[in-house]
Amino acid sequence: QVRLVESGGGVVQPGRSLRLSCAASGFTFSSYGMNWVRQAPGKGLEWVAVISHDENNRYYVDSVKGRFTISRDNSNNTLYLQVNSLRAEDTAIYYCAKSGHGKKVTTTNFDYWGQGTLVTVSS
Amino acid sequence: QSVLTQPPSVSAAPGQNVTISCSGSRSNIGNNYVSWYQQLPGTAPKLLIYDNNKRPSGIPDRFSGSKSGSSATLDITGLQTGDEADYFCGTWDTSLSAVVFGGGTNLTVL
Repeated sequence: QVRLVESGGGVVQPGRSLRLSCAASGFTFSSYGMNWVRQAPGKGLEWVAVISHDENNRYYVDSVKGRFTISRDNSNNTLYLQVNSLRAEDTAIYYCAKSGHGKKVTTTNFDYWGQGTLVTVSS
Repeated sequence: QSVLTQPPSVSAAPGQNVTISCSGSRSNIGNNYVSWYQQLPGTAPKLLIYDNNKRPSGIPDRFSGSKSGSSATLDITGLQTGDEADYFCGTWDTSLSAVVFGGGTNLTVL
């Protein structure tokens, strides 16, 4: 069965960096676009970034452009999110989500989600 | 302020039906497919509807979606107490080149 397991979250000071990981199993990882979606405490969902199956296309929400980088390692079935210059407003649970539409990245058909990893930005 | 607009809350009694609306614009709902998600307290979101009106396997037909112009709706029939959750709509926004979500609707089954 499909499984997505995020890791790498924690408490970090403003301005510092983290690398989040999402280990995927149970499907052909290299054939699907992958996303990061975050949720601040008590708030709604905010999409963060998407990467195509072959890494050729990446899109980001405006608030993280220039600070966050999405990448993937298809040989190790792992999705990453490098988060730099962290701000208090980046505090959230970060979920990775698989695209249900294979190679299409302009989709919100996120058919599987991980359990999330919490990032807390605080001094 | 979310790009897509949902009512903050709706409520109905067990067995009744409820509709949750999601309003957008031509650049998002008007020209792209809509998905709906259910998020039970303390859990990750779960896909309920994709491509406006398709249900993933395992989702009961009590849940249905539709789209008209720049708005979409999620209908839930025969409400059960287990349906109490937050519901989010989402779609691609062509102008922003980004996924956008509604602010979420909290469903209470009285």
